[in-house]
Amino acid sequence: SQKIEQNSEALNIQEGKTATLTCNYTNYSPAYLQWYRQDPGRGPVFLLLIRENEKEKRKERLKVTFDTTLKQSLFHITASQPADSATYLCAVGGYQKVTFGTGTKLQVIP
Amino acid sequence: DGGITQSPKYLFRKEGQNVTLSCEQNLNHDAMYWYRQDPGQGLRLIYYSQIVNDFQKGDIAEGYSVSREKKESFPLTVTSAQKNPTAFYLCASRGLLGNEQFFGPGTRLTVL
Repeated sequence: SQKIEQNSEALNIQEGKTATLTCNYTNYSPAYLQWYRQDPGRGPVFLLLIRENEKEKRKERLKVTFDTTLKQSLFHITASQPADSATYLCAVGGYQKVTFGTGTKLQVIP
Repeated sequence: DGGITQSPKYLFRKEGQNVTLSCEQNLNHDAMYWYRQDPGQGLRLIYYSQIVNDFQKGDIAEGYSVSREKKESFPLTVTSAQKNPTAFYLCASRGLLGNEQFFGPGTRLTVL
């Protein structure tokens, strides 16, 4: 089965800097990869989806890359703000179901 | 106001009792999912349903049951057979345009 690895250690960065989170997967290359944001005590919120034939996708201050050779996705938040502080989950899968990583907690320091 | 609702937000249960968690959506989505989230672990899939009157076991289905009698509703029953039911339970549906999942606010179940 697919295994997703995200850095379990919290990432602390200064406001205004670019935050970069990593997602590595083992086994087969997924049809797509997704990123979600989760605030404490709440359900995850979908942010971005990138397909296996796409190298990069952007949405406002967010950028996701997908390297099927390295089996890795990078998630960037540029000009980070304290409001970006949350746990970010990576998920991979096919049509019917997805597998989620444990998430990386991001703390943006003012 | 479209979305997924889960109730209740907090639920307490005595050991040995069954309990049913509600999940309703008005997004007109066909596929719905139940996940369990424990501290330090990712979301684990309990059950999912692609269409009304059909559902499949996920990775940790033991001790749980579901039904899908209506498109809008996908309730989850946590039975007394579930050995460690205390957790945060999340319901989701799959979007129509892609494969993104829309989550409800979650139900935190505590077994006393």
